[in-house]
Amino acid sequence: DSGVTQTPKHLITATGQRVTLRCSPRSGDLSVYWYQQSLDQGLQFLIQYYNGEERAKGNILERFSAQQFPDLHSELNLSSLELGDSALYFCASSVVGTSVDEQFFGPGTRLTVL
Amino acid sequence: DQQVKQNSPSLSVQEGRISILNCDYTNSMFDYFLWYKKYPAEGPTFLISISSIKDKNEDGRFTVFLNKSAKHLSLHIVPSQPGDSAVYFCAASARSGGYQKVTFGTGTKLQVIP
Repeated sequence: DSGVTQTPKHLITATGQRVTLRCSPRSGDLSVYWYQQSLDQGLQFLIQYYNGEERAKGNILERFSAQQFPDLHSELNLSSLELGDSALYFCASSVVGTSVDEQFFGPGTRLTVL
Repeated sequence: DQQVKQNSPSLSVQEGRISILNCDYTNSMFDYFLWYKKYPAEGPTFLISISSIKDKNEDGRFTVFLNKSAKHLSLHIVPSQPGDSAVYFCAASARSGGYQKVTFGTGTKLQVIP
């Protein structure tokens, strides 16, 4: 158990819909990362937050947005969903958010868009 | 543009033998490299890392080698155990926009045969 929690575990929805994925980082970790893993793909970095502020952006679509709240939990919002958005979405947290930081991953949310 | 490449999607090794997982990168600005292990239905977990100023880092059965001139790193597992069967992700970190960004490879699925 990494100490990072993600809800829900599974999510099935239809194209065009909007969903929210939630992540609670490890106690004490200030940095949260979101990743997408599609079939046979590596972990694609989406976005990083540090203590409530956006720190780095990766290959995140404009239809996707995220935020980190004062209690440090984070939400990833996916809208106008397309079939290709079906993937595993991982949240990770680290103490500070530097290259030497080990990232602790949650178990992931499996999103299926029908 | 896949900056971190794991060209072998899968690898099978007999228990007790050495497992060698390879990773190539293209960005010479990467200054920190990490390996993560992922079991099914779980998030990745940190395994071992190496700074670009080193060429070897060892932790028990796991050793990571870095060849900067070849832009290549490898993870050696000796001896391999059935519990090592998992997907292994190589990751590299570089400073971008004032912050460190981590790029993951596509993973190599290791099967250790008893």
